[in-house]
Amino acid sequence: QKEVEQNSGPLSVPEGAIASLNCTYSDRGSQSFFWYRQYSGKSPELIMSIYSNGDKEDGRFTAQLNKASQYVSLLIRDSQPSDSATYLCAVNFGNEKLTFGTGTRLTIIP
Amino acid sequence: DTAVSQTPKYLVTQMGNDKSIKCEQNLGHDTMYWYKQDSKKFLKIMFSYNNKELIINETVPNRFSPKSPDKAHLNLHINSLELGDSAVYFCASSQRTGVGETQYFGPGTRLLVL
Repeated sequence: QKEVEQNSGPLSVPEGAIASLNCTYSDRGSQSFFWYRQYSGKSPELIMSIYSNGDKEDGRFTAQLNKASQYVSLLIRDSQPSDSATYLCAVNFGNEKLTFGTGTRLTIIP
Repeated sequence: DTAVSQTPKYLVTQMGNDKSIKCEQNLGHDTMYWYKQDSKKFLKIMFSYNNKELIINETVPNRFSPKSPDKAHLNLHINSLELGDSAVYFCASSQRTGVGETQYFGPGTRLLVL
């Protein structure tokens, strides 16, 4: 059974601080990794994708991938109240589908 | 200019009824998906079609039947609705089937079975 695990939270972070979201997955052969953001009552929207070990930066967001340790993380710098949402980690285990984690609920405290 | 659209947005119905949800994408993508998100926010794939061909069929009761009349449309018909079918159903699409493909989600259909 291929699984993706996330801490469900809630994770509370003061405005302006760095929010760190973590995700682990069960299969070393996994090839692509995605972070989606989902506001309450809305659909998931893609924040970042990462395919190679290391860091990938896009604005205030940095995705970090460590395939040897089977984890992927998302850092949000200078957190804003608008970043309050559920963050879903998704992994493609080398087949045609994405397997999602249960999501981490992030709250940014003004 | 909606990329992935679904109708209806809300669906409230009685147990035992049959209902359909429709999805359309105007992105020119080849692959479309149906996901179910339960009350705990767990998002799980149900079906995937690539250019009208079924390629993923997860362990879903056969009361659920997808249909893709063309590659821009993927509908979901549910027979004999049960209380446990209450969830949010998301349609998604991607350019093609593949390991690194980004999926774009529709707004969701909130189904409540009474």
